Amino acid sequence: GAGVSQSPSNKVTEKGKDVELRCDPISGHTALYWYRQSLGQGLEFLIYFQGNSAPDKSGLPSDRFSAERTGGSVSTLTIQRTQQEDSAVYLCASSLGREGWGETQYFGPGTRLLVL
Amino acid sequence: AQKVTQAQTEISVVEKEDVTLDCVYETRDTTYYLFWYKQPPSGELVFLIRRNSFDEQNEISGRYSWNFQKSTSSFNFTITASQVVDSAVYFCALIWAGTASKLTFGTGTRLQVTL
Repeated sequence: GAGVSQSPSNKVTEKGKDVELRCDPISGHTALYWYRQSLGQGLEFLIYFQGNSAPDKSGLPSDRFSAERTGGSVSTLTIQRTQQEDSAVYLCASSLGREGWGETQYFGPGTRLLVL
Repeated sequence: AQKVTQAQTEISVVEKEDVTLDCVYETRDTTYYLFWYKQPPSGELVFLIRRNSFDEQNEISGRYSWNFQKSTSSFNFTITASQVVDSAVYFCALIWAGTASKLTFGTGTRLQVTL
C-alpha cells in the first residue's frame, strides 16, 4: 500500500515479556516518528529518526524502550520487561524529510498493545 | 510553558448543523506550524491541514474551514453542514522551531454527529 504500515495490529503480552513493534514508512520518506496514545497521557512523542542522523530519543519514557531503524526505512520499537502501564496504542508516522522541520507527518494505523 | 489546549472534550450536533472546534496554544516562539488531525473510530490519525505561523490567511476546503488568529493564539476549525461521517476525535497540534519535528498534541475533541 501507499501509506505507513504497522505490525502487528494488536499485541497481547504478559507483564515482564519483551515486545517488538514494526513500522514501514511511506516509500521515499526519510523521517520516521513514534508516538504513544494512552487514555491517561493522550498522544505523546517517543522518538524521531531523520536519515543517518542520531535519533531524537527525548520522548522515550524509560530505558526499557528502544528503537532502531535499519537501512533508513523500516523501524522497530522494542519494549523490554513490559509493564501494565505500557498498554497503549503505538503510532508510527513518516514525513518527506526535506524541509528540516515542521513537515506534515502521516500516521499508520497503530499497534494496540495490552500488557496483562 | 508551551502547550495546546482543546477545552471542548465532547460535542454533539445533529446532522447539517455547523460546528466549531476550538484550539488555543501557548508558545514563546514566533516560528511554528499548526496542524489538525482527525481520528475516526478506525483509529488512524488522518491529516487535515498544516499552517505556518507567518500565514494568517484563513483556509477553506469543502465543508471545512480554519480560522487562525495569532493575536489570540487560536486555530479554530469549523465544519459546515456536518455529516455523520464527520464523527471522530479531532486533534490540534503544534511543532515549534525549538522542538525539531516533535508534534505536541491537544487532548482532542470528540465530535458526535447524529441524524
